[in-house]
Amino acid sequence: TQLLEQSPQFLSIQEGENLTVYCNSSSVFSSLQWYRQEPGEGPVLLVTVVTGGEVKKLKRLTFQFGDARKDSSLHITAAQPGDTGLYLCAGAGDAGNMLTFGGGTRLMVKP
Amino acid sequence: GAVVSQHPSWVICKSGTSVKIECRSLDFQATTMFWYRQFPKQSLMLMATSNEGSKATYEQGVEKDKFLINHASLTLSTLTVTSAHPEDSSFYICSAERDRIYEQYFGPGTRLTVT
Repeated sequence: TQLLEQSPQFLSIQEGENLTVYCNSSSVFSSLQWYRQEPGEGPVLLVTVVTGGEVKKLKRLTFQFGDARKDSSLHITAAQPGDTGLYLCAGAGDAGNMLTFGGGTRLMVKP
Repeated sequence: GAVVSQHPSWVICKSGTSVKIECRSLDFQATTMFWYRQFPKQSLMLMATSNEGSKATYEQGVEKDKFLINHASLTLSTLTVTSAHPEDSSFYICSAERDRIYEQYFGPGTRLTVT
């Protein structure tokens, strides 16, 4: 069974601060996805990383896939209140297309 | 785009009745769709994998006779909660896989409340 440990579980910061969310596993994933979910809505795909060591940027968000494809991080620069939400990482194993989700990080950015 | 819709958005039903939730991929064909359940302030829990034209694959602990899944076409999967009980109250989310690249696109979710 593949497990993804996501940390921190909760994060409350002031507008303008930087933050990093981590997603770790002892298993290797063929790809890893990051989603953002707002209350009462479905998760929205932010990015997919596939190659070990890959770095992708989406405006103020930087995503990194570990060299061994076992871990990933999401870094947000100069957080804004609009970044508030539940961030989920999810990994796809080599065996198929099922996703293993991390426990989620609930981010609150205060103005 | 990759848009997935769900219907209804929310439903309240009485204990013992059955509820059907629809999941549609609006602008792409999805051979595989997934059904998740999410409790408040928690992550998503995979219930089953729905494959077009074949039986769904259920995760351990999910009763297939209670949660009936039908993937009748490449754009539609349905989840029927049979003989619903209050403990079935939850947020149900579907997702669809596009182009077999293992990216899943999620519907907006259906909030089910069983009274």
